[in-house]
Amino acid sequence: DVKVTQSSRYLVKRTGEKVFLECVQDMDHENMFWYRQDPGLGLRLIYFSYDVKMKEKGDIPEGYSVSREKKERFSLILESASTNQTSMYLCASSPNSEPQHFGDGTRLSIL
Amino acid sequence: DQQVKQNSPSLSVQEGRISILNCDYTNSMFDYFLWYKKYPAEGPTFLISISSIKDKNEDGRFTVFLNKSAKHLSLHIVPSQPGDSAVYFCAASAGDSNYQLIWGAGTKLIIKP
Repeated sequence: DVKVTQSSRYLVKRTGEKVFLECVQDMDHENMFWYRQDPGLGLRLIYFSYDVKMKEKGDIPEGYSVSREKKERFSLILESASTNQTSMYLCASSPNSEPQHFGDGTRLSIL
Repeated sequence: DQQVKQNSPSLSVQEGRISILNCDYTNSMFDYFLWYKKYPAEGPTFLISISSIKDKNEDGRFTVFLNKSAKHLSLHIVPSQPGDSAVYFCAASAGDSNYQLIWGAGTKLIIKP
């Protein structure tokens, strides 16, 4: 069974802080993704990566960056957290041309 | 501008009856569609998919129908069971890409005993 693990289920941070969200997958998948989920908007893609050290912007990359130094780990970074980044963050991974597998999410609150 | 729309935020169905969840899309380049199911406090899990070369795909109690001319797809669950109560998301992609999935806002399905 594929396991995608997000380091925190809940996180509370202050505006202006640098925030790191970590995601690890155990199935040697090439692709990894970061989404945010907001009520009424579905899932929106922030960034994805199709290989180590490779990254591509998704639909809403502003205010975020990512890092993929190892195949199994994909980090999302909020450079200077703002209240409009309060959201549910979901990480996913997939092999090429197959459906994505998701972690259980991190609910991030920025105060 | 939402390219994938799930117009029903919620749907209530009697246990044992058929549940029909609908999804409309606007981009004619979409050629691969997926349904995911999400329980509270868990990530979405893949349910079923369909390629645009087909108009129907079936997996046990779940069937997805695609009407390309109407840009509409639907997920049928027969018979509905209490464990089917969840939020269902429709997603679409264009070309040979698993990357840029465009997601609907979700429909909350409630199965009544």
